[in-house]
Amino acid sequence: NAGVTQTPKFQVLKTGQSMTLQCAQDMNHNSMYWYRQDPGMGLRLIYYSASEGTTDKGEVPNGYNVSRLNKREFSLRLESAAPSQTSVYFCASVVGVNTEAFFGQGTRLTVV
Amino acid sequence: QKEVEQNSGPLSVPEGAIASLNCTYSDRGSQSFFWYRQYSGKSPELIMFIYSNGDKEDGRFTAQLNKASQYVSLLIRDSQPSDSATYLCAVTGGFQKLVFGTGTRLLVSP
Repeated sequence: NAGVTQTPKFQVLKTGQSMTLQCAQDMNHNSMYWYRQDPGMGLRLIYYSASEGTTDKGEVPNGYNVSRLNKREFSLRLESAAPSQTSVYFCASVVGVNTEAFFGQGTRLTVV
Repeated sequence: QKEVEQNSGPLSVPEGAIASLNCTYSDRGSQSFFWYRQYSGKSPELIMFIYSNGDKEDGRFTAQLNKASQYVSLLIRDSQPSDSATYLCAVTGGFQKLVFGTGTRLLVSP
């Protein structure tokens, strides 16, 4: 039972490079989320998808794009990485209204 | 104003004491409220959730919700060194938007 799987776990990018963070859940959850976590900042919502086919901006969407490819997968893309995007990224999913969020193991991204 | 606010701490308590963690939120339409615990380098894990005004108890943990004051708290009784972690308050609002606070770091000393 995999739950929420994020890839990769670690990544180093050069400024200006692009990359896609992958997230997949096998729990048939409807809603999925991308957060970034910086020291002392808690989890800040980047984008979320309440259901398949919909996406909405969160608190810090600038510099990111997302795709809800199907019900299982929700990817986060950095088109032109900047050092300010150095962070730990978490993907999460929930089955429906007022239910527990399950998290992936996180992706530690460094932009140099 | 942030949607969910917490004191970043650290909150230091001796072993066996009660730890009290607080959270306020700005959206009066918020529907559900969660407390997550996060150990350093790990993913958040759910401790408790609460939907209705009042108290909800689960073992050593009690969550309290006051929607009129837009306030959520978590009490940890008989605190243990293993409770030392960051505690994140989370709130679900419209369109399934799940927003977290900055977290409160709790340190329980033996």
